[in-house]
Amino acid sequence: QSALTQPASVSGSPGQSITISCTGTNSDVGLYNLVSWYQQHPGKAPKLIIYEGSKRPSGVSTRFSGSKSANTASLTISGLQAEDEADYYCCSYAGRSTLVFGGGTKLTVL
Amino acid sequence: EVQLLESGGGLVQPGGSLRLSCAASGFTFSTYAMTWVRQPPGKGLEWVSVISGSGGSTYYADSVKGRFTMSRDNSKNALYLQMDSLSADDTAVYYCAKDRSCSSTTCHNGLDSWGQGTLVTVSS
Repeated sequence: QSALTQPASVSGSPGQSITISCTGTNSDVGLYNLVSWYQQHPGKAPKLIIYEGSKRPSGVSTRFSGSKSANTASLTISGLQAEDEADYYCCSYAGRSTLVFGGGTKLTVL
Repeated sequence: EVQLLESGGGLVQPGGSLRLSCAASGFTFSTYAMTWVRQPPGKGLEWVSVISGSGGSTYYADSVKGRFTMSRDNSKNALYLQMDSLSADDTAVYYCAKDRSCSSTTCHNGLDSWGQGTLVTVSS
């Protein structure tokens, strides 16, 4: 149950696009198409923004998109807005009914 | 509207026990697997445990296995986490969360609803 690897921080200017990577192994991210992404603002509970690798829940902006290649999942946020500044976490099913989270990435909108 | 409300957190001494509760409303509780996730102060999210919709299956992170017990009472729309042999490493905000569509623990469609969290502090 080792944590997935995410960059500690990323930044971008309003209107730009950024991508956050999430690297796992062939026992979690690489084996299952069951990666989810969460946005967490300070002092708030996490919010689901991507599930099953690339699907958006109802109400989530189309500016958020997810993808996967081999053992690495990615979250892309296009048209950055000030309100996107938050912490982002990836999560993958890891077999045997367990989940594993990434360490989190702090997004700064310059 | 789905609502999850945790309670039971507080200050406990090392080696002590605590029982967290999560009251659910706004959805058919027994239909969904439920998960506990914790977040130490200033740190990232950590998966703790999952229980199937029926309550018949539970699974735990290695870090809590043998010390924590997750259960649910579908007649009361309530989720529980019994925490024993607590240590400072267990200090965290504990969230209960609902799976988006899974009843079983062997799938994962994202945790689409979360409670506000309850803080557990283990300290002498």
